Amino acid sequence: DTAVSQTPKYLVTQMGNDKSIKCEQNLGHDTMYWYKQDSKKFLKIMFSYNNKELIINETVPNRFSPKSPDKAHLNLHINSLELGDSAVYFCASSHGTGGRNIQYFGAGTRLSVL
Amino acid sequence: GNSVTQMEGPVTLSEEAFLTINCTYTATGYPSLFWYVQYPGEGLQLLLKATKADDKGSNKGFEATYRKETTSFHLEKGSVQVSDSAVYFCALIGGNSGGYQKVTFGIGTKLQVIP
Repeated sequence: DTAVSQTPKYLVTQMGNDKSIKCEQNLGHDTMYWYKQDSKKFLKIMFSYNNKELIINETVPNRFSPKSPDKAHLNLHINSLELGDSAVYFCASSHGTGGRNIQYFGAGTRLSVL
Repeated sequence: GNSVTQMEGPVTLSEEAFLTINCTYTATGYPSLFWYVQYPGEGLQLLLKATKADDKGSNKGFEATYRKETTSFHLEKGSVQVSDSAVYFCALIGGNSGGYQKVTFGIGTKLQVIP
């Protein structure tokens, strides 16, 4: 059973479209994250939710809107997609928000904006 | 703020060679340190961790020692295999007590092992 699963794995779309990426974890964790990995493999956190509450919101365009319907799910909706949004997006989860909690990652969603 | 500096790759080694990937950090307090590995087409997986000074994390033949005096957490393996080819990320969490502890990742070092 996949611990952190994201769908879709690949997403190709045109500029200006709106798209969503879904994430689910079956680890019983209460904290979930979205990361963006650019073409040079640099990994940057975008958002984090703890018990469905937003706790981290980095400098991300407001075209990106996370939604957490419950502790096991954290979806990412992107409006008006731009070329610069092309990247691999990773979902992750952890137990708690403390400094020693290990994060478990999904396999990633490769978004290509044409 | 916190930061992690690791060597830029790619690093190309022959099978059975010795591996070192350097990682140094800047953080307040006493952070926890991690190495994650990303195999091609997959997400990041925790490779090893150390939560206090002088701790040694180890897994799958890889080792790293938390050196507070040099603020380093270098990754080593005595004999690499082709299957170790991946991108390796050094990371740290926190250092401050309480509240949310954000993970800071290094830029990742690509390792390529050739037969």
